[in-house]
Amino acid sequence: SQKIEQNSEALNIQEGKTATLTCNYTNYSPAYLQWYRQDPGRGPVFLLLIRENEKEKRKERLKVTFDTTLKQSLFHITASQPADSATYLCAPVAGTDSWGKLQFGAGTQVVVTP
Amino acid sequence: DGGITQSPKYLFRKEGQNVTLSCEQNLNHDAMYWYRQDPGQGLRLIYYSQIVNDFQKGDIAEGYSVSREKKESFPLTVTSAQKNPTAFYLCASRNPSGAYEQYFGPGTRLTVT
Repeated sequence: SQKIEQNSEALNIQEGKTATLTCNYTNYSPAYLQWYRQDPGRGPVFLLLIRENEKEKRKERLKVTFDTTLKQSLFHITASQPADSATYLCAPVAGTDSWGKLQFGAGTQVVVTP
Repeated sequence: DGGITQSPKYLFRKEGQNVTLSCEQNLNHDAMYWYRQDPGQGLRLIYYSQIVNDFQKGDIAEGYSVSREKKESFPLTVTSAQKNPTAFYLCASRNPSGAYEQYFGPGTRLTVT
């Protein structure tokens, strides 16, 4: 069955450093992969999408990589700030599904301390 | 202000009662989704709808029902058949172009005792 794995342990990081989160998937061939941010008690908010033919995507201080050979995506927050503290979810999307059903990883909590 | 609204934010029910969660969007999106989130787990898809008067079961549809009579509305009913209904419920709609991202509502936290 399809499986998505994200680090379940919270990532504690000092302000200004780079946070790196991992998303591994198995039994999947996603056409693209999305990353979302979720704050406690709120709905997720879309951050970035990366397609299978893209190695890297950037948006402001965020960078996402996608390695289809390793079946892995890495999500980087550079120059992290306390406001970046949240849970980050990855969602690979199978290309055969034209209506965008998402399967989410459980998410990794990031805590940025001043 | 465009977006998705869910009401109420918190809902309490006694076991054995059906309860309906509201979801409304003014984004003019065709596709809408219902997810359930439990502590320490990812979002799990309950039902989704691609168009008015059409909907499909997701991964955990048992004990739930939906309707899609209007484009902007996609209510979810949690029936008494749902064995473990206490959870955080999230409604979403999908951007039909671009990044195909999903827009989520603020969620409804349902507690059944």
